[in-house]
Amino acid sequence: AQSVAQPEDQVNVAEGNPLTVKCTYSVSGNPYLFWYVQYPNRGLQFLLKYITGDNLVKGSYGFEAEFNKSQTSFHLKKPSALVSDSALYFCAVIGAAGNKLTFGGGTRVLVKP
Amino acid sequence: NAGVTQTPKFRILKIGQSMTLQCAQDMNHNYMYWYRQDPGMGLKLIYYSVGAGITDKGEVPNGYNVSRSTTEDFPLRLELAAPSQTSVYFCASRTTISGTGGEGYTFGSGTRLTVV
Repeated sequence: AQSVAQPEDQVNVAEGNPLTVKCTYSVSGNPYLFWYVQYPNRGLQFLLKYITGDNLVKGSYGFEAEFNKSQTSFHLKKPSALVSDSALYFCAVIGAAGNKLTFGGGTRVLVKP
Repeated sequence: NAGVTQTPKFRILKIGQSMTLQCAQDMNHNYMYWYRQDPGMGLKLIYYSVGAGITDKGEVPNGYNVSRSTTEDFPLRLELAAPSQTSVYFCASRTTISGTGGEGYTFGSGTRLTVV
């Protein structure tokens, strides 16, 4: 069975500092990996995905993520966090031959001014 | 582009009542999904469908039923509502991920259900 782990329930960072949200996954075969963001009382917004190719993926709002196959990780990063980045972030995975997208438990990001 | 449309946006049910959450997509996607999100938690898969006439259980199917008579529609039915079904429900659809240059998955805006 495929699974996603987001080891941190919450990440606190000062505005302007680098932001990292961790994600590790387990899946049979090659993974397709996603990051979504959710603002309060809103649906999920797509940030970026890894399908194949370059391990460093760039996405919306200045976010990027690095796929590391040996560590089965797909950490989300932003070089300089904004207060407006405060939200709930979800990592998700689907196997290349699979049908179901599995989500991690989410990490709440709080960026303080 | 309508994408994935969910109705209603909000609903309050009494214990034991039934209702159907509607989901429709206009992108001709074969794959459709129902997730529930409990407060402060991740999304759990309830049911999914890989095409019209085909449905399968996800992680938390108990208390729910689905049907997929057309490609466009994927309704989720609650037969006997229970307080444990208080949640936000998201419908999603997708095309073949490797063949898309976009997001792959498209999510609806959600239905907030409270069972009292």
